[in-house]
Amino acid sequence: QQQVKQSPQSLIVQKGGISIINCAYENTAFDYFPWYQQFPGKGPALLIAIRPDVSEKKEGRFTISFNKSAKQFSLHIMDSQPGDSATYFCAARRANAGKSTFGDGTTLTVKP
Amino acid sequence: NAGVTQTPKFRVLKTGQSMTLLCAQDMNHEYMYWYRQDPGMGLRLIHYSVGEGTTAKGEVPDGYNVSRLKKQNFLLGLESAAPSQTSVYFCASSYRDGAYEQYFGPGTRLTVT
Repeated sequence: QQQVKQSPQSLIVQKGGISIINCAYENTAFDYFPWYQQFPGKGPALLIAIRPDVSEKKEGRFTISFNKSAKQFSLHIMDSQPGDSATYFCAARRANAGKSTFGDGTTLTVKP
Repeated sequence: NAGVTQTPKFRVLKTGQSMTLLCAQDMNHEYMYWYRQDPGMGLRLIHYSVGEGTTAKGEVPDGYNVSRLKKQNFLLGLESAAPSQTSVYFCASSYRDGAYEQYFGPGTRLTVT
C-alpha cells in the first residue's frame, strides 16, 4: 500500500516557467511534509517542508501548497531555471513513527 | 563537520558474496536509516534505528541485516548478495523523530553480477 503518491513521474518545463509537482497521502496521522531535491550522483537534500497547520509556505522561488481536507500537497517552482533540473521527492512523516514515507520521485528537466 | 559519509562509494559483487556498507554521521543524531533507490521506485526504507543498540525493519528488509553498536555508525550487511540487490544505497540520519530534516549520505552504487 503506497501511502504517498507523487505525480507526474517526469516533467519538462521551459526556463522561466512554473514547475508543479503533486503528492497525495492517505494517512491523516502524518504531520510533517518535506520535499527533497536530488541531483544526479548525489544524495537527496531537504528543499522545503511544511506542517499541516499552515496552507502555504514559501522560500524564495519554492512554494509548498497544502490542502489538508483533500490530503494533498504540492511543490511549485516559480521562474524555473536549468539549475533546478533534478529529481524531487515528497515525503510524509508522523510523530513517533521513527521514519518517513517517500513518494516515487519526479524528474524535472528545465530547458534553456 | 563531514555530515553523513558512506563507505564504499562503488562495489561490484558476485552472486552469493557478502559485504558490509558503513554509514557514519558526526551530528550526534539519534535516528539513522538505510534506503535503496531503484529507477522509478523512489526511496525504499530497508532498516532504520532510533538509537544506539536498536534496529527496526523498514519496507524491504529481506536479504539485509543491520547493526548500530555505536551511535555514530550504522552498518548494512548483505550476507549472500543477489542480482536483485543491485541498487544505489543511501544512508540518512536525523536528530530525532518528528519534524526534523533527514540528512543523506552520497550513496553507494552496488552491482551484483
